Amino acid sequence: NAGVTQTPKFRVLKTGQSMTLLCAQDMNHEYMYWYRQDPGMGLRLIHYSVGEGTTAKGEVPDGYNVSRLKKQNFLLGLESAAPSQTSVYFCASNGNGPYNEQFFGPGTRLTVL
Amino acid sequence: DQQVKQNSPSLSVQEGRISILNCDYTNSMFDYFLWYKKYPAEGPTFLISISSIKDKNEDGRFTVFLNKSAKHLSLHIVPSQPGDSAVYFCASILYNQGGKLIFGQGTELSVKP
Repeated sequence: NAGVTQTPKFRVLKTGQSMTLLCAQDMNHEYMYWYRQDPGMGLRLIHYSVGEGTTAKGEVPDGYNVSRLKKQNFLLGLESAAPSQTSVYFCASNGNGPYNEQFFGPGTRLTVL
Repeated sequence: DQQVKQNSPSLSVQEGRISILNCDYTNSMFDYFLWYKKYPAEGPTFLISISSIKDKNEDGRFTVFLNKSAKHLSLHIVPSQPGDSAVYFCASILYNQGGKLIFGQGTELSVKP
């Protein structure tokens, strides 16, 4: 099992450009999450999904959109990137209900110039 | 408004001694708590958890203590090893919120040989 994988690992964007971050899990998990990590802030939840075809907002959803068309994939989109979205993005999944551990991907480091 | 707080950004401990990492929370509705460990350039990995109906949970060298009246939890590592050097995040879950994790800011532990 590869677990949770994220594509790409690094990306540099110019302000106003768009991109999509891909998260894939091969554990047949129902729940998937997107977090961002900023210095001194811990990890903050952007959006999450409790099953295929569902999405919900987290703590910091503005400027991001998500889609969960397939159970194994959770996409995070930036329509018009801003320097404030410079961050490390982590995807996670959880298969056994909300009280079980989340498995995290290795992260995507995004810089917006 | 930071609902989960780790007020010590860093901690340095000698190998073989005890490491104590602290975490405070403000929301009395939190009913499950987890600790994650993170190495540089990797995603967080689950370490240990505790339900709000318990006051202690132990797993090998790691013990988590929960004091609900003080809204405080702590992670004890005994004995500390150089490989324990990492950033430690505490996180809380609200029941019926899709397993959303609310993270503290993290504490960087350095265990010196």
